[in-house]
Amino acid sequence: GAVVSQHPSRVICKSGTSVKIECRSLDFQATTMFWYRQFPKKSLMLMATSNEGSKATYEQGVEKDKFLINHASLTLSTLTVTSAHPEDSSFYICSVEGGRLVDEQFFGPGTRLTVL
Amino acid sequence: DQQVKQNSPSLSVQEGRISILNCDYTNSMFDYFLWYKKYPAEGPTFLISISSIKDKNEDGRFTVFLNKSAKHLSLHIVPSQPGDSAVYFCAASPDYNTDKLIFGTGTRLQVFP
Repeated sequence: GAVVSQHPSRVICKSGTSVKIECRSLDFQATTMFWYRQFPKKSLMLMATSNEGSKATYEQGVEKDKFLINHASLTLSTLTVTSAHPEDSSFYICSVEGGRLVDEQFFGPGTRLTVL
Repeated sequence: DQQVKQNSPSLSVQEGRISILNCDYTNSMFDYFLWYKKYPAEGPTFLISISSIKDKNEDGRFTVFLNKSAKHLSLHIVPSQPGDSAVYFCAASPDYNTDKLIFGTGTRLQVFP
């Protein structure tokens, strides 16, 4: 199966700064990647669908100007949290869709963002 | 190498019958296991979980069984309903209190009338 990495695994930043999180598909060309935010009790919220070469599709309630997504290549999608605030502190997970089977998804290991 | 495996990509079950979705893991340090359900164009929603100190957890029509010696867990849905048709992901975590989740690749369940 596809290997998906995220970088960094942990980041601590000051309020007001911007943070970029990378999601890489290491052995598979992914036209579609997903970004999730994890909430307490491990529920996941889909934030946006990242499509290679086009604009991301954001879920209702997710500010596209705050959570910038770029999917410039078939192996890399980035999520930039702009002007981060403490309420943005969370665990962010990406996944890659595709492979041999429809609906198959490969999840990254996640990035823990802490905004001070 | 996948630490959490769902070897059946799809499963088709008649309405009213039992659906059994399987999941295997390789890391004996995993302490907490979860099942998520995902509809198209939506994120996975949490369904049911089990701690490694238990071997069974039941919530309505959904029961999760854990066999630690075999490093295997399963989700039973009975009776199955057409609305259960979705992709199901199992996930494992080293600890309930940590963020870390390692997902399987999913099994598509289709419940037909």
